[in-house]
Amino acid sequence: DGGITQSPKYLFRKEGQNVTLSCEQNLNHDAMYWYRQDPGQGLRLIYYSQIVNDFQKGDIAEGYSVSREKKESFPLTVTSAQKNPTAFYLCASKSGSTDTQYFGPGTRLTVL
Amino acid sequence: GQSLEQPSEVTAVEGAIVQINCTYQTSGFYGLSWYQQHDGGAPTFLSYNALDGLEETGRFSSFLSRSDSYGYLLLQELQMKDSASYFCAATLSGGATNKLIFGTGTLLAVQP
Repeated sequence: DGGITQSPKYLFRKEGQNVTLSCEQNLNHDAMYWYRQDPGQGLRLIYYSQIVNDFQKGDIAEGYSVSREKKESFPLTVTSAQKNPTAFYLCASKSGSTDTQYFGPGTRLTVL
Repeated sequence: GQSLEQPSEVTAVEGAIVQINCTYQTSGFYGLSWYQQHDGGAPTFLSYNALDGLEETGRFSSFLSRSDSYGYLLLQELQMKDSASYFCAATLSGGATNKLIFGTGTLLAVQP
């Protein structure tokens, strides 16, 4: 089955630690996106990538970093510089021919 | 700035029709999408309007008026399973990138 996977579903980290969230897709989509969602809020764009080895900052990139070494993978690192990292993180991908984004199941990160 | 406004909550009864409105202020507007998100889940695509008018997909319809910077999602024959958050999202054409800017979401509660 084609789709997007994110792991783990729940993640706990101590304050000051970097943590990397996984996102993998086998939909052969070129574009991939990372969003953050806070309770009762909409989705805010952190980073996005249109092609391998290229990515751009979204609206709230500070304290985050990404890489796109493979088409299938777009991991997000939440660094210790992110002041309020506890949130629900969603990864999405999109083919070039449509505007529809397909979302993974999300990772709920809690920083203690 | 770029923003999309939606009502925060809507309540309706089973079998009824409900309309969720969305007004937007964006530059480089390309189209309007609607996504459904059940509590704790991933957003799933419902509908997309690139042109003015009504798009119908089963019980769901979506409307766009570019001149009014306005759209709505119409849900008919409401079912309990339709209780969820609904987000409008504007596709922005920025070079090779089609970013999505999400509204803050409308929580729909369907009552028996």
